[in-house]
Amino acid sequence: NAGVTQTPKFRVLKTGQSMTLLCAQDMNHEYMYWYRQDPGMGLRLIHYSVGEGTTAKGEVPDGYNVSRLKKQNFLLGLESAAPSQTSVYFCASSYFGLADGSDTQYFGPGTRLTVL
Amino acid sequence: QKEVEQDPGPLSVPEGAIVSLNCTYSNSAFQYFMWYRQYSRKGPELLMYTYSSGNKEDGRFTAQVDKSSKYISLFIRDSQPSDSATYLCAVLADRGSTLGRLYFGRGTQLTVWP
Repeated sequence: NAGVTQTPKFRVLKTGQSMTLLCAQDMNHEYMYWYRQDPGMGLRLIHYSVGEGTTAKGEVPDGYNVSRLKKQNFLLGLESAAPSQTSVYFCASSYFGLADGSDTQYFGPGTRLTVL
Repeated sequence: QKEVEQDPGPLSVPEGAIVSLNCTYSNSAFQYFMWYRQYSRKGPELLMYTYSSGNKEDGRFTAQVDKSSKYISLFIRDSQPSDSATYLCAVLADRGSTLGRLYFGRGTQLTVWP
């Protein structure tokens, strides 16, 4: 049982390049989330999904796209990377989608992205 | 005004000390309060959660909520070097929504030295 895994762990991009971050979970969770964590800003929700084939915008969705073609995978895409997207990206999943502690969100180890 | 304010520290204490970590929040609609622990270069993990006002204890950890002053605290008794991490508070207003919007503080970095 690997929990939540993220690929890649590190990446350096040049401005304008594109890339996809992959999140996978093996807990059969319905809900999946993408956050970014920046110094002094805390965790901010980018996009989320309430089930296979669904996606929705979070707090800071601009510049990102997501897809949930399979229940266990949630992809985050950057079509044209900008230096402002330099951050640590975390994926999380939960069963019921209730963000209080009764339904724990399990986080992945993070992807450190630098955009030059 | 941010929904949740948290002093980023850093906070450095000797082993065995009592640690107090605090957050303030702006909206009285918040009803659920959580503390996450994040070790260096790891993802956050849920440590404790409370609903409404009052205290909740789990081993050496106590979470406290004062809704009248919009103040939440996490106390760590007999702190250990293994408690060294960043602690993030989080608040939630609407448990009944599909997602339940979660707002995070920016985290307090704690170091417990032997």
